[in-house]
Amino acid sequence: RKEVEQDPGPFNVPEGATVAFNCTYSNSASQSFFWYRQDCRKEPKLLMSVYSSGNEDGRFTAQLNRASQYISLLIRDSKLSDSATYLCVVNILNTDKLIFGTGTRLQVFP
Amino acid sequence: DAGITQSPRHKVTETGTPVTLRCHQTENHRYMYWYRQDPGHGLRLIHYSYGVKDTDKGEVSDGYSVSRSKTEDFLLTLESATSSQTSVYFCATGTGDEKLFFGSGTQLSVL
Repeated sequence: RKEVEQDPGPFNVPEGATVAFNCTYSNSASQSFFWYRQDCRKEPKLLMSVYSSGNEDGRFTAQLNRASQYISLLIRDSKLSDSATYLCVVNILNTDKLIFGTGTRLQVFP
Repeated sequence: DAGITQSPRHKVTETGTPVTLRCHQTENHRYMYWYRQDPGHGLRLIHYSYGVKDTDKGEVSDGYSVSRSKTEDFLLTLESATSSQTSVYFCATGTGDEKLFFGSGTQLSVL
């Protein structure tokens, strides 16, 4: 089993839709969680950290479920510019290393 | 955005030749990382550095070496390139709070 698993998609949604992605992780010792966004042929960029209490940044909401070992990203009122690949990133306790998922591709259409 | 420059941006080389990729940062970040990204795989850590002359292996370090003689520069060397090392290579920096800033990537093709 991969340490971090994501549905590769693509998720094809119309503008204005709400879409959610999940990411499961296998190591219960994981401490920190992040969502990165990667546009085609570009570098990944940090979208948001995921806190135990959940967090919201505008149209984006991230949640952590430690019991079931997954994190989620919810995007409301999707924009064309949201089209990208969303990478789930997890750290392992007491290491300096981050584990990246393979990403979920989102395509927002007019 | 952190000032991270990777060079070259594209390189085509032949099997068996040595290749060096350079990462230069202007942010004075302590941590620097080299990742490779391949279809079907997430970004995989090759090597990382937590200070000048302090480096450690990542999960896919075989066939790669690194050096960091200055805070701002982190070099990745493929001692003898193989076709399996054809990939997109990303350099990243961080301050230790686990948030990474990435360079624009280097597309390496080994023929």
